[in-house]
Amino acid sequence: DTAVSQTPKYLVTQMGNDKSIKCEQNLGHDTMYWYKQDSKKFLKIMFSYNNKELIINETVPNRFSPKSPDKAHLNLHINSLELGDSAVYFCASSRTGQGLFFGSGTQLSVL
Amino acid sequence: EDQVTQSPEALRLQEGESSSLNCSYTVSGLRGLFWYRQDPGKGPEFLFTLYSAGEEKEKERLKATLTKKESFLHITAPKPEDSATYLCAVQLNSGGGADGLTFGKGTHLIIQP
Repeated sequence: DTAVSQTPKYLVTQMGNDKSIKCEQNLGHDTMYWYKQDSKKFLKIMFSYNNKELIINETVPNRFSPKSPDKAHLNLHINSLELGDSAVYFCASSRTGQGLFFGSGTQLSVL
Repeated sequence: EDQVTQSPEALRLQEGESSSLNCSYTVSGLRGLFWYRQDPGKGPEFLFTLYSAGEEKEKERLKATLTKKESFLHITAPKPEDSATYLCAVQLNSGGGADGLTFGKGTHLIIQP
């Protein structure tokens, strides 16, 4: 009964490919997020989304796009993968204004 | 520009040796300050939320405090299982990204038996 689950755990792919990471939360939260953790372990927000608005960190390339089929899911699509996209990507969720609960991460390696 | 700075970057303690981790912030309009613990290969695990200066929260060997400029995470008589990276994050009144958190770079804590 994992609260925030994301798949896959590991993703290894070639430059130029398109890939997706899935995220689901069963906490009944209304807001979901994607964070990127770089090699120095620094967590940086990429997107936040509830059923009313999508907020995009302006530094995120438009090759990255979140897609939410419903309130419990927020998937991350990445087009034309680059070497610099290699990182750990975390999904998270929260009730509006409260703390975030994180998934266990997806380690993306672009070769 | 809003900023969250954690110190030290790394800390090695003997089992039972108490210490404190610091998180200083320069943000306009703090809604809340959060502490998380992150173990290798896992996502951050929520520990505490502090909302106003003077507030304190405790959980087992951990106590978090908040002033208008910084927060401390005090670790009393730590055990090896307390070894982890401790992350501080702030949430802004303005919403700062639909209530997303801005994280510091973390303190990597090692407790030696």
